[in-house]
Amino acid sequence: DAKTTQPPSMDCAEGRAANLPCNHSTISGNEYVYWYRQIHSQGPQYIIHGLKNNETNEMASLIITEDRKSSTLILPHATLRDTAVYYCIVRVGYGGATNKLIFGTGTLLAVQP
Amino acid sequence: DTEVTQTPKHLVMGMTNKKSLKCEQHMGHRAMYWYKQKAKKPPELMFVYSYEKLSINESVPSRFSPECPNSSLLNLHLHALQPEDSALYLCASSQDGGAGGVEKLFFGSGTQLSVL
Repeated sequence: DAKTTQPPSMDCAEGRAANLPCNHSTISGNEYVYWYRQIHSQGPQYIIHGLKNNETNEMASLIITEDRKSSTLILPHATLRDTAVYYCIVRVGYGGATNKLIFGTGTLLAVQP
Repeated sequence: DTEVTQTPKHLVMGMTNKKSLKCEQHMGHRAMYWYKQKAKKPPELMFVYSYEKLSINESVPSRFSPECPNSSLLNLHLHALQPEDSALYLCASSQDGGAGGVEKLFFGSGTQLSVL
């Protein structure tokens, strides 16, 4: 699986958009970009995934560059409850038999009041 | 019901004890996972079960023994652990749509294990 690089930490003001970058320059054509987050003392939570096109759901938007070498997770109006470690993972979309979802070090997003 | 339930939430055990961690889901998922997470580190994959069969073992020491009695339950049996095994143990499940499917993992809140 392609390696990902994320900044170790970021700050964001409450109510503003949080833009979390991820570099995955060695991504291959059949690898998806997944984002999960982990709020303190909880298990990781799935946020969004994408292959080529930009994606949006009720939690966030995912912008993938045309060459697919990087992506940005956007939380449009960050709240204090969005303070968490955000993990960007690149993985082929296999089913459970070979589904090794490997977490990198992630970005600690601190939303400030 | 979109929950993965793990019990107990906290466990303290001695190095000679035998204990078990339990994980349950009722989403009809056919893939289940154990992860281990040390403080301030990302989760590390330990085991993957697919359709109740062990499909991935990430070279985990034999003092950790997984068991999947049915499609809703996943256990992790612990025996002769070391203090360095103290960590948060996370269980997860996913649909297992087969090759080509994108898997979303649903995680429990974990069991915080302390080995004395």
